[in-house]
Amino acid sequence: AQTVTQSQPEMSVQEAETVTLSCTYDTSENNYYLFWYKQPPSRQMILVIRQEAYKQQNATENRFSVNFQKAAKSFSLKISDSQLGDTAMYFCAFMKSGTASKLTFGTGTRLQVTL
Amino acid sequence: NAGVMQNPRHLVRRRGQEARLRCSPMKGHSHVYWYRQLPEEGLKFMVYLQKENIIDESGMPKERFSAEFPKEGPSILRIQQVVRGDSAAYFCASSPAQGIQETQYFGPGTRLLVL
Repeated sequence: AQTVTQSQPEMSVQEAETVTLSCTYDTSENNYYLFWYKQPPSRQMILVIRQEAYKQQNATENRFSVNFQKAAKSFSLKISDSQLGDTAMYFCAFMKSGTASKLTFGTGTRLQVTL
Repeated sequence: NAGVMQNPRHLVRRRGQEARLRCSPMKGHSHVYWYRQLPEEGLKFMVYLQKENIIDESGMPKERFSAEFPKEGPSILRIQQVVRGDSAAYFCASSPAQGIQETQYFGPGTRLLVL
């Protein structure tokens, strides 16, 4: 069974600064996908970024980028130029590759962006 | 292209009543997933369905919970004889039958409150 661990329950960052959220996972699979989802106060789950394990290049989406370290089973999210709208819960998630499959989520990190 | 639709958004039931939660996937998506989020926790997988088939129900409680995804109409998550511990947010997600199957897109969730 897969497990996903987010060791930072809460984090705070000032507007325009950079913050990194940590995520580690445990799996015996070789092919899989990793995701970061954002859940703002509205509680809608919004996909932020995804990474295929077979790709060595780290995924990037505008101000969001990941540091994927497959050997260390680490998948951190970096948010650059933080904005007030980035305030949300952030969930790291794992999915086995091959067929459409379930997501296994971490417990989340609550990010507060301050003025 | 409308996103994943869920209704109702909020549902209040008394102990012992039945709760029916509906999910319409994104257009062109034939895979549906249900997740439950207890207060202050991450999302936990419940069930994965394709049209008229349950593919994986490993996260479903053995009693009182059932799910279906008929050939026509939305997917339904049904909870019989609700108890206070069923109070949670229930999220539905969908993914396409072809192409990038692995990315799941979430609906806004149904908040169930059991009195």
